[in-house]
This record gives sequence, structure tokens and C-alpha cells, in this order.
Amino acid sequence: EADIYQTPRYLVIGTGKKITLECSQTMGHDKMYWYQQDPGMELHLIHYSYGVNSTEKGDLSSESTVSRIRTEHFPLTLESARPSHTSQYLCASRMDRGRDSPLHFGNGTRLTVT
Amino acid sequence: GDSVTQMEGPVTLSEEAFLTINCTYTATGYPSLFWYVQYPGEGLQLLLKATKADDKGSNKGFEATYRKETTSFHLEKGSVQVSDSAVYFCALSDRGSNYKLTFGKGTLLTVNP
Repeated sequence: EADIYQTPRYLVIGTGKKITLECSQTMGHDKMYWYQQDPGMELHLIHYSYGVNSTEKGDLSSESTVSRIRTEHFPLTLESARPSHTSQYLCASRMDRGRDSPLHFGNGTRLTVT
Repeated sequence: GDSVTQMEGPVTLSEEAFLTINCTYTATGYPSLFWYVQYPGEGLQLLLKATKADDKGSNKGFEATYRKETTSFHLEKGSVQVSDSAVYFCALSDRGSNYKLTFGKGTLLTVNP
């Protein structure tokens, strides 16, 4: 199984708080991704990175930000959480961005903003 | 642009029934195709993949064949088990999306004993 870890698994937080969702992988993968999964199960790419100091916004506009200071670490930050941010957030990585390279996913963080 | 259309759920079957989840795609180039499975409370896991026409991906009794002529990659299993209850996602990777994976909307499968 892939070694990609997300913490916390569950988070309930009040409106206006700053939060950071952690994602780490031990596979040495350069390519990392954040997806937001809505209650209807659909996945939306919100951020990705092709290596250290490289970050890009995904297909779905998000108020979150990401950083990539180390290869293995790709945290996602919300400066001021709102109820509309309530969702499941999935982190993923892959060996390269060739078309044959599958994604490896973490178990996700389920965020609830009250 | 690239897109994936998969069968809308939910799908409910009895144990040992035959499963088909349809998936068709639109791609700019020559994509690789994937099926992922998401068990309750977990992230997605790669179930199988195929990288060229007529390839058959298989794993855990599931199979899917890359059909370029019909742009399809339908998932099948001959005899489902309760433990197969999960959400299944079809996905592609293609140059049209700069090789980022494009996912279908997911199909919820429930298998009853």
C-alpha cells in the first residue's frame, strides 16, 4: 500500500479559525495534489505541486493555500474557516506526471466548520 | 477538454450478482484509463488500469477492457461480495489535461447479503 498520511482524520472547528491540514508521503514522489470531495462524492482538484517550491491552483477555485518546502510535505491552509469549507479533503501523490502513473491517496481529512 | 462519464448510482445488488459499471470517456490524445475504489471512511485506492487499446486490467476479480473504438472502459465483476460495497471512480490521464487525472463522478455500489 502507498505511504501517504493525512492528519487530522476529522476536524470540527468554529468559523474564523485558521487551520492547516497536513499531508506527508514517504515515497519520494515529486507530484502531489489536493482534492476536495463534496457530499455527492465528486472530486475537485484544488491544488497541485510538481516539486519543491512549485505550487499551482487546480480546476476548482479555493480559498485555501498550499506550500511545498520539502518533497515529502504538502500542507493545506485555510486562513479563516467558513461553513462553506465543510468537506472532505484528500491528498494524493504520484511518481511522475506521465499518463501511466497512478495517483496514491491518503485517507482524507473530514472538515466540519460550525 | 477531457471528460469521463460513468453510470449514475446508486447501484444495489445481492451477493453473487454480476456487476457492470459503465464508463465512457472523451480525450484529446491517447489516454491511460483507471478504476479507483473508495471504501467507507477511506481515500481512493487504485483498483486496475489499462494503458493501451484492447488491454484488460484486472484485480480482485474485477476486470475492465480498454475499448478505443467505443471510448469505453466498463468495470465488471462476475460475483460481487458484501465487502465490495464502496464508491467506484473511473478516471483518465491524457495530454489534454496535462496528464492530471480526470475523474468521473463516482458510482456508489451497495451489496446486500
